[in-house]
Amino acid sequence: SQKIEQNSEALNIQEGKTATLTCNYTNYSPAYLQWYRQDPGRGPVFLLLIRENEKEKRKERLKVTFDTTLKQSLFHITASQPADSATYLCASKSYSSASKIIFGSGTRLSIRP
Amino acid sequence: GAVVSQHPSRVICKSGTSVKIECRSLDFQATTMFWYRQFPKQSLMLMATSNEGSKATYEQGVEKDKFLINHASLTLSTLTVTSAHPEDSSFYICSALTSGEFNEQFFGPGTRLTVL
Repeated sequence: SQKIEQNSEALNIQEGKTATLTCNYTNYSPAYLQWYRQDPGRGPVFLLLIRENEKEKRKERLKVTFDTTLKQSLFHITASQPADSATYLCASKSYSSASKIIFGSGTRLSIRP
Repeated sequence: GAVVSQHPSRVICKSGTSVKIECRSLDFQATTMFWYRQFPKQSLMLMATSNEGSKATYEQGVEKDKFLINHASLTLSTLTVTSAHPEDSSFYICSALTSGEFNEQFFGPGTRLTVL
């Protein structure tokens, strides 16, 4: 069955370093992947979308890559700040429905000053 | 960007009562909205797809008679948790689907339900 996995439940890094989060998918080939940020007690906020024919996409300090050979997307935050601390969710379209998306379990990122 | 609101943001109720949660798309029309449930430190689990003017589509294992969904207009979907029990306590989040190619969803801020 279709799976999206974010292997790291939590990631702690020093302020100023680059944070790299991983999303792996199995048993299907998504046309795109999405990344969301979720703060405690809040709904997710859309950050970036990358299509399968795009290797890399950037938005300010954020960078997302899509490797169809490795079946993996990496999400990078450069020059990380304590305000970047949140849970980051990877998501993709469900193969069973044109409108539904499924989420990975999320990675809780903590940036220490 | 598109804005989705939810009301109430927090509700505490006694076991056996029913609770209604509203989800509104404020600056766009959404023929499709989704309802998710999220337990602590877990990801979002899709409960149902709410379709304007038609019956909701429920995910496997979600009781449609317990979680009533009404999508009466292009900007409003409601989720009613009927005869709530403590195990229904959770964070409920709605999202509204835009009409774009990539199914971008905009999420509401969530509703924290606590059933005593």
